[in-house]
Amino acid sequence: NAGVTQTPKFQVLKTGQSMTLQCAQDMNHEYMSWYRQDPGMGLRLIHYSVGAGITDQGEVPNGYNVSRSTTEDFPLRLLSAAPSQTSVYFCASSYLAGGNEQFFGPGTRLTVL
Amino acid sequence: KQEVTQIPAALSVPEGENLVLNCSFTDSAIYNLQWFRQDPGKGLTSLLLIQSSQREQTSGRLNASLDKSSGRSTLYIAASQPGDSATYLCAAHGGTSYGKLTFGQGTILTVHP
Repeated sequence: NAGVTQTPKFQVLKTGQSMTLQCAQDMNHEYMSWYRQDPGMGLRLIHYSVGAGITDQGEVPNGYNVSRSTTEDFPLRLLSAAPSQTSVYFCASSYLAGGNEQFFGPGTRLTVL
Repeated sequence: KQEVTQIPAALSVPEGENLVLNCSFTDSAIYNLQWFRQDPGKGLTSLLLIQSSQREQTSGRLNASLDKSSGRSTLYIAASQPGDSATYLCAAHGGTSYGKLTFGQGTILTVHP
């Protein structure tokens, strides 16, 4: 099992550019989510999904879109990047039942200039 | 709204010491509590998951306890080693958003030889 994978590892964008952060898991987990980690703010939930076709907003959803067309993939889209979106982004996944231990990917470090 | 606090923010100990990291949460209606380790520039590695019905979990030199009524969890590390140096995060799972983890700010642990 590869676990939770994220690409790219690093990305630099200019203000106003768009991009998609990729997240995939091979554990057949129903639940997937995106967090951002910022100094002094800790990790905050952006969006989450409880299964293919179902997504919902977390704590800090503005500026981000998600979709879940398959169980394995949960991409995060930045439509018009802003410097405030400079952060480290983590994707996580878990089963919905049976304890829900959550597993995290290695992260994407994004800088918006 | 769930709030999670970790004390101390940083801890430096000599190799071989036993140590305790503290985590407190404001809303006792949690599904579980999860402890993670994060190395610099890396993702989160799950260490222990304690279900709301459990009092403690053990893995090797790590032991985590949970007291829901008082809103506290502790992570005990026995016979610390320099390789234990990392940031330790606790996260409470529960509340209004199923699947959402509320993270503490972390404890930065340094174990020196």
